[in-house]
Amino acid sequence: GEDVEQSLFLSVREGDSSVINCTYTDSSSTYLYWYKQEPGAGLQLLTYIFSNMDMKQDQRLTVLLNKKDKHLSLRIADTQTGDSAIYFCAERKNAGNMLTFGGGTRLMVKP
Amino acid sequence: EAGVAQSPRYKIIEKRQSVAFWCNPISGHATLYWYQQILGQGPKLLIQFQNNGVVDDSQLPKDRFSAERLKGVDSTLKIQPAKLEDSAVYLCASSLIPGGTLNGYTFGSGTRLTVV
Repeated sequence: GEDVEQSLFLSVREGDSSVINCTYTDSSSTYLYWYKQEPGAGLQLLTYIFSNMDMKQDQRLTVLLNKKDKHLSLRIADTQTGDSAIYFCAERKNAGNMLTFGGGTRLMVKP
Repeated sequence: EAGVAQSPRYKIIEKRQSVAFWCNPISGHATLYWYQQILGQGPKLLIQFQNNGVVDDSQLPKDRFSAERLKGVDSTLKIQPAKLEDSAVYLCASSLIPGGTLNGYTFGSGTRLTVV
């Protein structure tokens, strides 16, 4: 199976909170990342969390990490139409230091 | 600072033709990556360079794909001959150190390849 898994699609109303979930398999991953990709654009780093942290907050973004369950989530507060995009989680493994990406979650924000 | 530059932005070729993509990383970034992103999927690493040496090319289909970074700066990725399943966006990324700094990698906008 895939190393990093995400649900395909999430739809929310403007102003609501969005929660995008991700599971990974490599317990030795040191950093976990969330990237945003808008149509026709490259990947933009949103935030990251070190594996010894449980939570990180950055303005409207909150990252929660459950290392025991290898579960990562991204919460976007007060979701706006400009947040509509595909969100990728990625793990950085110790071996090779490369980033391995999930398949992406398409977030649709309805006005 | 200038970002990662890639060209061309779009390319349409017939199957069995050849194609090359170019990447200019951020100045001073020693590590360069090529990723393939098939529509509806996440990016998958094809090859990682450290300066002008290959660190990991285990996922590169070497019968048709090749990549080089001769002077440790720009890189080219070539496909010869192309197959229909090579249709994807090819993303180049660079980082100061292997694995990226805390900020991960910086990605270019990609080259969208369509093989018909």
